[in-house]
Amino acid sequence: KQEVTQIPAALSVPEGENLVLNCSFTDSAIYNLQWFRQDPGKGLTSLLLIQSSQREQTSGRLNASLDKSSGRSTLYIAASQPGDSATYLCAVIQGAQKLVFGQGTRLTINP
Amino acid sequence: EAGVTQFPSHSVIEKGQTVTLRCDPISGHDNLYWYRRVMGKEIKFLLHFVKESKQDESGMPNNRFLAERTGGTYSTLKVQPAELEDSGVYFCASSQAPGVRGYTFGSGTRLTVV
Repeated sequence: KQEVTQIPAALSVPEGENLVLNCSFTDSAIYNLQWFRQDPGKGLTSLLLIQSSQREQTSGRLNASLDKSSGRSTLYIAASQPGDSATYLCAVIQGAQKLVFGQGTRLTINP
Repeated sequence: EAGVTQFPSHSVIEKGQTVTLRCDPISGHDNLYWYRRVMGKEIKFLLHFVKESKQDESGMPNNRFLAERTGGTYSTLKVQPAELEDSGVYFCASSQAPGVRGYTFGSGTRLTVV
């Protein structure tokens, strides 16, 4: 049974810092991995999708990496801003097209 | 393109009542999914439609939950009768090519059973 773990559960950093969010999964037989952000009371916004054959994806200040063999993904946020404050969710997609989510990392960027 | 639309955004009902949640996927997306997040837990899969057919309903908690997708367009999730432990946020997602383009989620319906 696939399990996804996100560390840390919460993170608070000053504005401008670069930071890394971690995601690990127990079963490396995944199709792809997707990072989402969720703002309080809102839905999930897709940030980056990494297919199993890829090593990384970039979008603006965000860079996500994937190491299938070790069951790990990281989300790197450069030059953090207060608007980046949200909960970040990692989810892996397996054969039955189910998304398996981690519990998320609650990120706070302090001005 | 319009996103995934869910309504109501919030619903408060008493234990034993019936509630119906609705999801309108992105036009043209054959795949429609329901997920939910109960307090303190991770988001979990409930079921998956391909057009009007249920592809996988292994995540449905029990027979008090009934999902339908009329004509392969919008979907409803009915909870009857509702119990306290059904409280949580119910998300709908749709996709045309999940392996390539991933999933688009709606804003969710926050259900509170009192």
